[in-house]
Amino acid sequence: QVQLQESGPGLVKPSQTLSLTCTVSGGSISSGNYYWNWVRQPAGRGLEWIGRIYTSGSTDYNPSLKSRVTISIDTSKNQFSLRLNSVTAADTAVYYCARRGEYWGQGALVTVSS
Amino acid sequence: DIVLTQSPGTLSLSPGERATLSCRASQSVTSSSLAWYHQAPGQAPRLLIYGASTRATGIPDRFSGSGSGTDFTLTISRLEPEDFAVYYCQHYGSSPLTFGGGTKVEIK
Repeated sequence: QVQLQESGPGLVKPSQTLSLTCTVSGGSISSGNYYWNWVRQPAGRGLEWIGRIYTSGSTDYNPSLKSRVTISIDTSKNQFSLRLNSVTAADTAVYYCARRGEYWGQGALVTVSS
Repeated sequence: DIVLTQSPGTLSLSPGERATLSCRASQSVTSSSLAWYHQAPGQAPRLLIYGASTRATGIPDRFSGSGSGTDFTLTISRLEPEDFAVYYCQHYGSSPLTFGGGTKVEIK
């Protein structure tokens, strides 16, 4: 059974960089033709797709975040990561990692505040 | 970008009743690349339907999806207590992926 787990700081200061890592267990991140997503959800609001990365390393990003987002993959560690630059309070949300739509992490709350 | 509009925003029903949720796309969804998710409070979304009509592994048959092009429907034939939650549709056929705004199914 594939499992995903987000990790990273729960508090980030405005203008700094939000960094999260998703660790995949129960299977190799390199196997299969999957893409690996980041999705976020502000409190009480809907889901927003941030971007995805294929095992080849190619990426797609939400145009509204593209200038600030980088998603990378480390197959040796069975992890993929999210970096979001120049954060503001509007970036406060629960951040989820997911393999396509089938498997999701439990979510990590990131608060942007000084 | 494909904009997905879900209706109604809130559906008030009783256990055992039938629920019909709608998802309308601003342009045709490629190869019926449309998914539905269930999200309970404080939990991650759970995939119910992909390819517009294929149930995901372990999803009970009271859930069914239909539609193509720009109009899609999720039907729950008989609501169980655990079905009262928020439901999202998502298109995944091309980038950027987008979600609908959600439909909350609440107990009447």
